[in-house]
Amino acid sequence: NAGVTQTPKFRVLKTGQSMTLLCAQDMNHEYMYWYRQDPGMGLRLIHYSVGEGTTAKGEVPDGYNVSRLKKQNFLLGLESAAPSQTSVYFCASSYKRGGGYTFGSGTRLTVV
Amino acid sequence: KQEVTQIPAALSVPEGENLVLNCSFTDSAIYNLQWFRQDPGKGLTSLLLIQSSQREQTSGRLNASLDKSSGRSTLYIAASQPGDSATYLCAVRKADSWGKFQFGAGTQVVVTP
Repeated sequence: NAGVTQTPKFRVLKTGQSMTLLCAQDMNHEYMYWYRQDPGMGLRLIHYSVGEGTTAKGEVPDGYNVSRLKKQNFLLGLESAAPSQTSVYFCASSYKRGGGYTFGSGTRLTVV
Repeated sequence: KQEVTQIPAALSVPEGENLVLNCSFTDSAIYNLQWFRQDPGKGLTSLLLIQSSQREQTSGRLNASLDKSSGRSTLYIAASQPGDSATYLCAVRKADSWGKFQFGAGTQVVVTP
């Protein structure tokens, strides 16, 4: 019973490099979310998806892109990483619009 | 925009004492509210999900109350243990938010033996 799995767990990028974070859930959840967590800022929503093939912007979408080609996967991309994107990234999913969140264990990203 | 506030930001109690954690929100038109626990360097673990129609929800030593009209939820942890040391976050979901939760900044709890 894996729940929500995030890969990688840690990554160091140089400014300008690109990368993709993968979130995979095996609970048949419809809704998926990407958050970033920064000291003093709390958790802020980057992008979210309400079903396969759909994506929408959250509170802090700039510099990120997402895709939901398969129901179980939600990808977060950084096209040209900046030091301001140094953060811990969390993926969450919920079964339905009103369901509780299940979180992944996070990806700690450092951009130097 | 929904604002979620958790006061105090940090709390230290001796083992055995009951913990009372507060969460307030500005818009009372909520769908539900979820409490989480986060250990250092780890992800968020769900504790309780309380619906807007409920006054409280219980799980073991945990009890969450909800007063929608006053924009408050309280998480009670009975007979605290050192293993309860963590950061506790509340998250509020509005009825029209497409499932999105708005998070508080959390209360960091230390239970001393």
